[in-house]
Amino acid sequence: DIQMTQSPSTLSASVGDRVTITCRASQSISSWLAWYQQKPGKAPKLLIYKASSLESGVPSRFSGSGSGTDFTLTISSLQPDDCATYYCQQYQSYSIAFGQGTKVEIK
Amino acid sequence: QVQLVQSGSELKKPGASVKVSCKASGYTFNNYAMNWVRQAPGQGLEWMGWINTNTGNSTYAQGLTGRFVFSLDTAVSTAFLQISSLKAEDTAVYYCARGPYSNSWYNYWGQGTLVTVSS
Repeated sequence: DIQMTQSPSTLSASVGDRVTITCRASQSISSWLAWYQQKPGKAPKLLIYKASSLESGVPSRFSGSGSGTDFTLTISSLQPDDCATYYCQQYQSYSIAFGQGTKVEIK
Repeated sequence: QVQLVQSGSELKKPGASVKVSCKASGYTFNNYAMNWVRQAPGQGLEWMGWINTNTGNSTYAQGLTGRFVFSLDTAVSTAFLQISSLKAEDTAVYYCARGPYSNSWYNYWGQGTLVTVSS
């Protein structure tokens, strides 16, 4: 099975900062990667699919990049509403897997 | 608009069974697979598997025991997750989720159903 590893586990940054979260796959997944945002008590919300395609309605400060095994989610200018946990998900194989999550906090 | 509405929270004793429902609306139910994802308290997301809404065939995540069964009632556009012989470690929020393909990202999620297993 393909394993997904995110880093860091927790991230603290100031409003307006550029924030980057990394996700690494244990084997190549081409561009079959999605990113989600989850706030406490809520279902995950899709942000990015196919590694870099922005889901409709998601603010343009969110962007995704990468292919193969290494991927990043970038928030260009962190906003208070971005406090959440972020998960990557691979869907290259029929055994789908999520990363362990990255919690983003405001300093 | 697409909606996935799940059944309410459940409190069960160890050894009991529970059936969580996920009612779909706003699209043709048979055209899209339904997936299940769980999240234990304070933990990350865990993919459980999916059910083909045309054939009723299910694919389960490796390691998921036979205590977990996906099913359908296509007449009412509803998917079900049944868990038998409940254990304390089954305590989690269970989500149904749908994407554009059978193996894809999920752009629609249910609101989640909390299943608590406690004596």
